[in-house]
Formats: sequence, structure tokens, C-alpha cells
Amino acid sequence: GQQLNQSPQSMFIQEGEDVSMNCTSSSIFNTWLWYKQDPGEGPVLLIALYKAGELTSNGRLTAQFGITRKDSFLNISASIPSDVGIYFCAGLRVDSNYQLIWGAGTKLIIKP
Amino acid sequence: NAGVTQTPKFQVLKTGQSMTLQCAQDMNHNSMYWYRQDPGMGLRLIYYSASEGTTDKGEVPNGYNVSRLNKREFSLRLESAAPSQTSVYFCASNNRVTQYFGPGTRLLVL
Repeated sequence: GQQLNQSPQSMFIQEGEDVSMNCTSSSIFNTWLWYKQDPGEGPVLLIALYKAGELTSNGRLTAQFGITRKDSFLNISASIPSDVGIYFCAGLRVDSNYQLIWGAGTKLIIKP
Repeated sequence: NAGVTQTPKFQVLKTGQSMTLQCAQDMNHNSMYWYRQDPGMGLRLIYYSASEGTTDKGEVPNGYNVSRLNKREFSLRLESAAPSQTSVYFCASNNRVTQYFGPGTRLLVL
């Protein structure tokens, strides 16, 4: 099935470190979304991006819509324990009827 | 305003049993979706309903049926459960692009 290439699969970081993850595709997208899923919960939207080159922040989170429209990046600055969870990217292709295509997720773990 | 609600939260079935997963949203959204989530696989779309009265297959529809009962409710039915359907099932809804998710139903098929 169609999926975005999301990397890394998992990250082990120290509290206070910055985090970067990305999603890439061979297709062109109109919209990129970044979600976070806590254990036992459904995904919750963090940031939505609608234009190529757009850079949007939500607190310590910053996401960018790649210029080529085929990729997106999420950065988390100064990570804290509550940042642990799984981060998903999702994209809406130019030829889509509102069906999102999802990455496989990046699992963020903070080392004690 | 409860958002998207799902019942049940947990279910254990024997192979061959049937069951229906319920989903409701109170945000007046037109579109609703059913996903399954398996470890390392992200979210895979089973079925979706772009508007009341319409349903379409997603990426992994085999073994499932859906009903868009009205604008609020979208149910997922397993007619004859198989162990391969052990998963976490999420319902979502949206009006434009941003999808809002329910808390999930954890299904174990023995």
C-alpha cells in the first residue's frame, strides 16, 4: 500500500536534546500534517502545513513543508519527558479526494 | 462536545465470530474513516465515507464491511473474525483535511 517514508523509525534521546524527523515521498503533496500518538490514545494533530516552503511552529515544535512538495520535516527543541510517543506524518496528494497517506511513525524514547 | 467516540474499548473474539465496532462524531463532519494500526505499520485505511450515504474501500478492506448510518455514525463490521484482524482500530472524521481521531478499539481474535 501507499505510505510515506518516515525516518527514523525510533529515536533514543536525552532530555533537553533537540529532535529531528522527516517524511519523504516520490509524489507531490498539497498538505502535510504531523500527529502525535500517546500510548493507548488516538493520534492528535500537532501541526498542519498547506504551502511549499511553509515553516510553522507550535511551542517547541517546528515543521516545514519542503520546497519540492515531496517532503516535510518536524523538529522538537529541548525535549522533555512528555514528548515521548509516536509521531506520524500524513500527506494529502494533489490528486487525492481527501484520503491521507500516512508514514509508519517515529517512536521517541527519552533515555533515563 | 465529545469529538469522536468509539465503542467498545476492548474486545476479545474467537475465530469465526462476528462483531460491529461503533463510531460516532458530534462535530458535524461530512467524512468519516476507519483505520487499523499494527506495530510498525502506521495507520492503514480500511474504509471511508466521504459523506452520508456513501462508502468506499481503502487500502485494506478485505474481511470488513461498513455502514454510514447517518451523518454522525459510521460502523465497522467483521462478519467472520480471523486472527489476522487482531489490531487496534481507529475511527476518524473531518470536514476538510485535518482528521480527528477516536480513542481506538483494541481487538484480539483468538
